[in-house]
Amino acid sequence: GAGVSQSPSNKVTEKGKDVELRCDPISGHTALYWYRQRLGQGLEFLIYFQGNSAPDKSGLPSDRFSAERTGESVSTLTIQRTQQEDSAVYLCASSIRVNSILAKNIQYFGAGTRLSVL
Amino acid sequence: AQKVTQAQTEISVVEKEDVTLDCVYETRDTTYYLFWYKQPPSGELVFLIRRNSFDEQNEISGRYSWNFQKSTSSFNFTITASQVVDSAVYFCALSEAWEGSQGNLIFGKGTKLSVKP
Repeated sequence: GAGVSQSPSNKVTEKGKDVELRCDPISGHTALYWYRQRLGQGLEFLIYFQGNSAPDKSGLPSDRFSAERTGESVSTLTIQRTQQEDSAVYLCASSIRVNSILAKNIQYFGAGTRLSVL
Repeated sequence: AQKVTQAQTEISVVEKEDVTLDCVYETRDTTYYLFWYKQPPSGELVFLIRRNSFDEQNEISGRYSWNFQKSTSSFNFTITASQVVDSAVYFCALSEAWEGSQGNLIFGKGTKLSVKP
């Protein structure tokens, strides 16, 4: 597609349920990022994929959060046993990574998934 | 540790006024990138500009201009002759730029700009 696509756009769930959030990056973008934006806050980095690998998962808020990426394309962020504090907008971004000091690293964002945990 | 501070939480101006959004950053890296993104009410972040730490030249793009000063660790954004369509939340962000870095963006908390007709 032309841009980063995220689904669903809105998700309402009950506390304790599992949710899956999907991100379709721009075709050919090897790098993919997940961020979380709580109400009135800046964006908080969660996880980065280069290809299908996530070299560092320390940004995930708890072990209830996991993410995967397949085919160097679609990524899924899964939150298990959701809590009310997980309510936020989850944003995905993708970029072309060039391994040099002057790598461009311009990240293009999707519209996000607004998660509400009741 | 890296940090981005946008001290202005909200700014309200009347159309055609000029407005400057402040951004101050902290990093120990000598090579880094700075960014500005716009988040309109629709929610999608729109990339505006990227600067690398080697280039302190100011940049102008239409009504937008950016002033990068390493001496004060600032990367301010000015909108000239503001318009109602400029109303949005603006985020300043910082990333590492060394080979092998993850490149994740470290964001400020954003400045909400309201331009009234």
